[in-house]
Amino acid sequence: DIQMTQSPSSLSASVGDRVTITCRASQNIRTYLNWYQQKPGTAPQVLIYAASTLQIGVPSRFSGSGSGTDFTLTISSLQPEDFATYYCQQSYNNPTFGGGTKVDIK
Amino acid sequence: QLQLQESGPGLVKPSETLSLTCTVSGGSISDSFYYWGWIRQPPGQRLDWIGSISYRGNTDLKPSLKSRVSMSVDTSKNQVSLNLSSVTAADTAVYYCVRHLNSLAWFDLWGQGTLVTVSS
Repeated sequence: DIQMTQSPSSLSASVGDRVTITCRASQNIRTYLNWYQQKPGTAPQVLIYAASTLQIGVPSRFSGSGSGTDFTLTISSLQPEDFATYYCQQSYNNPTFGGGTKVDIK
Repeated sequence: QLQLQESGPGLVKPSETLSLTCTVSGGSISDSFYYWGWIRQPPGQRLDWIGSISYRGNTDLKPSLKSRVSMSVDTSKNQVSLNLSSVTAADTAVYYCVRHLNSLAWFDLWGQGTLVTVSS
């Protein structure tokens, strides 16, 4: 299996902050990297696919970058509804997910 | 609007078989563009892809679970089914039904999930 490692595992931030989450793959996955947001008690929802393409309906404050083994999810100005857990997922081979990054209120 | 709904027992005994059904509403499961899959999330743990199936019945299963997993499609009922045999407490999780475009694609539609507890 391709191992996905996210950092940090949690962070505290304030509304308006710029937030960056990183995801590293154990091997080259080109740009087959997707990001999801999950709020407590609900299913994950895709934010970004193919490393940098914003899913329809997702606010433009979310952006993704990277290729190969290193990827980044950035929230340019954190909003109250963005406090959630974020997961990366590789779709290069037998999908696997990162351990998640919980974003909570400072 | 297409929706996915999981159903099945919430409690399964150790060594027995976990059986879940995903009902697709608002569209046809026979849409050849899509695969239908299962993902689980044990309490406090990361998401774990179990496998996926096309409407033709072609499956793609997680290698470490392949010996215990079977999936099927019933196009007449617009349903996808999951069977996981010889369960243990480690199989306790929220199980999600998902849709994706192909084996290299993201999961763009999720069911609400159903909690399955393995306990005697």
